[in-house]
Amino acid sequence: KNEVEQSPQNLTAQEGEFITINCSYSVGISALHWLQQHPGGGIVSLFMLSSGKKKHGRLIATINIQEKHSSLHITASHPRDSAVYICAARTGNQFYFGTGTSLTVIP
Amino acid sequence: DAGVIQSPRHEVTEMGQEVTLRCKPISGHNSLFWYRQTMMRGLELLIYFNNNVPIDDSGMPEDRFSAKMPNASFSTLKIQPSEPRDSAVYFCASTPGGFQETQYFGPGTRLLVL
Repeated sequence: KNEVEQSPQNLTAQEGEFITINCSYSVGISALHWLQQHPGGGIVSLFMLSSGKKKHGRLIATINIQEKHSSLHITASHPRDSAVYICAARTGNQFYFGTGTSLTVIP
Repeated sequence: DAGVIQSPRHEVTEMGQEVTLRCKPISGHNSLFWYRQTMMRGLELLIYFNNNVPIDDSGMPEDRFSAKMPNASFSTLKIQPSEPRDSAVYFCASTPGGFQETQYFGPGTRLLVL
């Protein structure tokens, strides 16, 4: 049983589409992290949240603590958003990582 | 401002050899993390340092793995002896102050053990 489940595993979208990636977790968390891994392998931390919603540019992350669920939304998607998006539930000094969602945005 | 620096970027070695991976965190950051990423297991946190002290090493897979942080600007992850199943990408990340801060990742070291 995985502590963190992501869906979908793979996602292909047309440029301009609104995208949602889901993350469900089973552990009590200190915070929920969203990471972006570029095709070249580099990892960027996008969001860290423990309640509510955060927004950065076209990216929005939400979390529902009661339902143990988080979503990452991308508005007006662009080919440069193509990457693997990973959620990670942090509890104390431990991270439980999802297996990632591979997003491809087609021009 | 330089980001997290890792060396080497690629390493190919033979089973049984000692491997040392290096990391220089962002200047002023006092927390450092080592991660491993494989296709089978995804990302895993190996060890976490705060102010050069190992705080949690429960993710270190076995005694063949060891990590040190002799000062605030340098850390090593050593595998001795290496095995083919250690082949992975190893990432180092740093934060200004612990888990509750945004992590800045290095480019990773791609290790292949033959």
